[in-house]
Amino acid sequence: GNSVTQMEGPVTLSEEAFLTINCTYTATGYPSLFWYVQYPGEGLQLLLKATKADDKGSNKGFEATYRKETTSFHLEKGSVQVSDSAVYFCALRRGTNAGKSTFGDGTTLTVKP
Amino acid sequence: GAGVSQTPSNKVTEKGKYVELRCDPISGHTALYWYRQSLGQGPEFLIYFQGTGAADDSGLPNDRFFAVRPEGSVSTLKIQRTERGDSAMYLCASSNEAGHNEQFFGPGTRLTVL
Repeated sequence: GNSVTQMEGPVTLSEEAFLTINCTYTATGYPSLFWYVQYPGEGLQLLLKATKADDKGSNKGFEATYRKETTSFHLEKGSVQVSDSAVYFCALRRGTNAGKSTFGDGTTLTVKP
Repeated sequence: GAGVSQTPSNKVTEKGKYVELRCDPISGHTALYWYRQSLGQGPEFLIYFQGTGAADDSGLPNDRFFAVRPEGSVSTLKIQRTERGDSAMYLCASSNEAGHNEQFFGPGTRLTVL
């Protein structure tokens, strides 16, 4: 079946540091890949997505590239801010059953001033 | 416009009781999804509707769980004979059709079974 594996947290960084959160997946076919963010006390929000191999999703300074050869979708940001502190979830949706999403377990990021 | 809303925000019940959790999707969204999230884990798929019909209910853990969406808008997740293991955050999401469209999530209902 489908699965998503995220790097374990928590991750603590200083402001302006470089961020990488690793995500790898297992799926048949050609899934779409997503990063969601959950800020404290709020619901899940879509951060970025990529629907085919070599696509790069980007939003709010975050980027992730769909790498089919390594089945990865790592999240990066060049300079994090305190306001980026949140839980980040990697997820996939398969093309043939695109209703359901499969999520990783989440990575908690804390950015200190 | 209004986002996805879920009621109640918190529900505490006793083992063996019946509960209903409600989801109001974004107006016009035809697809609606239910997920369950345990502490420290990602959301786990339960069921999704396309219109009034359940397009995929493969994530429902057993026959104590049931969901309906009779008019293709509001949905209710029903849990019979609740068990302590049912305690979790229940999330609802909606999207404009299924497929690769963005899913918009509600704030969730935290269910606690004592």
